[in-house]
Amino acid sequence: KNEVEQSPQNLTAQEGEFITINCSYSVGISALHWLQQHPGGGIVSLFMLSSGKKKHGRLIATINIQEKHSSLHITASHPRDSAVYICAVCGGANSKLTFGKGITLSVRP
Amino acid sequence: GAVVSQHPSWVICKSGTSVKIECRSLDFQATTMFWYRQFPKQSLMLMATSNEGSKATYEQGVEKDKFLINHASLTLSTLTVTSAHPEDSSFYICSARDLRTFDEQYFGPGTRLTVT
Repeated sequence: KNEVEQSPQNLTAQEGEFITINCSYSVGISALHWLQQHPGGGIVSLFMLSSGKKKHGRLIATINIQEKHSSLHITASHPRDSAVYICAVCGGANSKLTFGKGITLSVRP
Repeated sequence: GAVVSQHPSWVICKSGTSVKIECRSLDFQATTMFWYRQFPKQSLMLMATSNEGSKATYEQGVEKDKFLINHASLTLSTLTVTSAHPEDSSFYICSARDLRTFDEQYFGPGTRLTVT
């Protein structure tokens, strides 16, 4: 079983919709990262969380340490949000990241 | 925000040649940099952890003589793919850990290597 599970696997939404992407993990962590990757493109760090909630523009990330769960929300989605969203957890002192498989989001105009 | 650059962004080389990829932290110091490899439609796979001034730590299954890593300064790490073969064609991504915030990692834009 993968240590980091993301759901749904693929997601298609209509422009303007509110989108939620989930990430569950099974190990103790010091931090959780949400990453974005456009087709053929590099990785962009969206958030790093160790507790609570962070907001940046239309993106909101939350984490519940007790439940080992994090969500990434996109408000007023736009076609340019179409990308792969990857959840990665940091196990602690050695800072190696364990990655989820990523979720492919497609936002239709 | 912190920026990590990679150079080149893409490279095509002939089989048997060596290719060097640079990873630079532009506005922060990084004692540790990580090198990842990504195959199409797959997630990132950690290849090695690069520490400034010391030898890199390679993940199991990664050939250290094939993928040479040098981390000579707090802002630069290089990955050299030696005697490249078509199966080395991949997307190589680095990340750098900020000296001040141990858990924060910043990712480079990646380098697409195609070996013909």
